[in-house]
Amino acid sequence: DIQMTQSPSSLSASVGDRVTITCRASQSISSYLNWYQQKPGKAPKLLIYAASSLQSGVPSRFSGSGSGTDFTLTISSLQPEDFATYYCQHSKTFGQGTKLEIK
Amino acid sequence: QVQLVQSGAEVKKPGSSVKVSCKASGGTFSSYAISWVRQAPGQGLEWMGGIIPIFGTANYAQKFQGRVTITADESTSTAYMELSSLRSEDTAVYYCARESRIAAAGTVVHYYYYMDVWGKGTTVTVSS
Repeated sequence: DIQMTQSPSSLSASVGDRVTITCRASQSISSYLNWYQQKPGKAPKLLIYAASSLQSGVPSRFSGSGSGTDFTLTISSLQPEDFATYYCQHSKTFGQGTKLEIK
Repeated sequence: QVQLVQSGAEVKKPGSSVKVSCKASGGTFSSYAISWVRQAPGQGLEWMGGIIPIFGTANYAQKFQGRVTITADESTSTAYMELSSLRSEDTAVYYCARESRIAAAGTVVHYYYYMDVWGKGTTVTVSS
């Protein structure tokens, strides 16, 4: 099975910062990679699909890139509502999550 | 806009079973896959299995094979997930999610799949 590994596991940042979260696949997955945001007590929300396609309604400060084994989710200018946990997903496997906290 | 409405919280005894429902409203149900994903307290997301209602055949994560049954009723636009032989480690929030797809560019037909609509989750607590 393909394993998905995110880094870092947690991250502290300030409003206005540019933040990058990385997801690495244990073997090449082309662009079959999605990103989700989850806030406490809420269901996950799709942000990015197919590695770089922005889901409808998601702010443009979110972007995704990468192909093969290495992928990134970038938030260009953190807003207060962006503090959450982020998950990458390939097929039926999720990464372990990255918790983004306020510095 | 499609919404997925899940059944309410459950408290179960070890060894018993639980059946969670997920009703779709406001959109097409049968032709999309419905996945079930669970999240134990303080943990990450774990895919359990899924079904395409129009085909009726479910597939399951190996970890849950033999313990989970996923079904769908097209007449009521409802999917179900039943988990048996419950143990304390099954205490979690159980989500259903619609899996959409988009065709990838290229000469060979293949698709990108993603979970774009989620239910609010059903908390299942297993305790003696």
